[in-house]
Formats: sequence, structure tokens, C-alpha cells
Amino acid sequence: AQSVTQLDSQVPVFEEAPVELRCNYSSSVSVYLFWYVQYPNQGLQLLLKYLSGSTLVKSINGFEAEFNKSQTSFHLRKPSVHISDTAEYFCAVSRASGGSYIPTFGRGTSLIVHP
Amino acid sequence: DSGVTQTPKHLITATGQRVTLRCSPRSGDLSVYWYQQSLDQGLQFLIHYYNGEERAKGNILERFSAQQFPDLHSELNLSSLELGDSALYFCASSASIAVISYNEQFFGPGTRLTVL
Repeated sequence: AQSVTQLDSQVPVFEEAPVELRCNYSSSVSVYLFWYVQYPNQGLQLLLKYLSGSTLVKSINGFEAEFNKSQTSFHLRKPSVHISDTAEYFCAVSRASGGSYIPTFGRGTSLIVHP
Repeated sequence: DSGVTQTPKHLITATGQRVTLRCSPRSGDLSVYWYQQSLDQGLQFLIHYYNGEERAKGNILERFSAQQFPDLHSELNLSSLELGDSALYFCASSASIAVISYNEQFFGPGTRLTVL
């Protein structure tokens, strides 16, 4: 079985400040790791993913996450946030099973960027 | 716009009723996934179809069923509805099953179901 824990349900931060959204997972097998973003009244959008290779992965809008196998973590960071980053962020793990990917999502972290 | 469409956007119904949610995947995508998002349970995977065949089941109740048609659109049927079924229902599509290499899932905007 696999599970995902997002340690903070809400993270308030001021614009241009750095932010870290924490994610820990548990799984007995190798997994793929993801961060999704959900803007109000929209579906989820993939922000970045770790499948293999370099443990540091980056998105086009300045977010990055580092896969830490020993700590079973995949924290999301951004050095300077914008108002437009206000959204719900979901960490997810997925593993291949019987010809399909079975995703497990965290409960989400609401990032609130204040001017 | 992800290219995945879902209808209706909103649905209000009563307990005990049956509803059908529809999803049209991105052009060319063979896989359709259904998810339920609620305040109680968070985001839960329900079921995955690939090219018309069921490939994986998650936390889907027996009162719920789904199918994928030859034109690749999918329907999620919810019956004997209960108050607790009120949630956002998302579908997502991807190009293939992609066991060997991951294919990104593209999410639709969701259907908000309210059971009164």
C-alpha cells in the first residue's frame, strides 16, 4: 500500500517570499512522484514529476521539487512566489499495477499568497 | 484548457436518484480515469478504462459504475445516491496505459454533484 502525507493544510506567505510545501510518502515499491496544482473552479494540472534520473525536478514557472529517497520526501519549493501562485497543491505517488497507474493523492495544501 | 470535456458542470439531485456523468477525452487519448474529490475523503481514484476495457479499480462503490464507449468517451453512473456522494467528479485522459513510460494525465474541469 502507498500513502501520501502533506504536512500543511494551509501555507500563507507574502508575495516574493520563498515557500516550501512538504510532502512525505510511504510505499513498499518504487514509485513515481508528482505535484499537481488546482486553481479555483478548475481541474488539476501537472506541475512537475519525478520518474527517474536527477532527483531535482523543475517546472517552467519556477517551482522545483527534490526526491529524497532516504527521507521518503518530495517537497515543493519556490524561491519567490507571486499572487498568481495562490492555489491548491497536491502531491501524489503512483505505481504501475497490472497495466495501469494507481495514483494516491495527498489531502492538498492551500497556498495563499498575500500582497 | 486541457482538451478534456465533462458534462454537466453542475448537477443537483435528490437522494436515491441515479445520474450519469460524461467525459470526452483529449483527441487521440485512449485512457480515461475517474476521480472523486470531496472534503471528507480528498481526491480518490475511482476507475481506469483503456480503449474500452476496465484496467484498474480504486475506491469505487458498488453503486457506481463506468464504461468507455467505442468513440472513447466515458460515462460514470452513480445510483441510489446518498448525501455523502456530493463531491466534485473529475475525469482525466492520457495517451496510453504507459506501464513502461509514464504518460501525463490531463484533467477535465469536473462535474460538481450535489445530493439533497
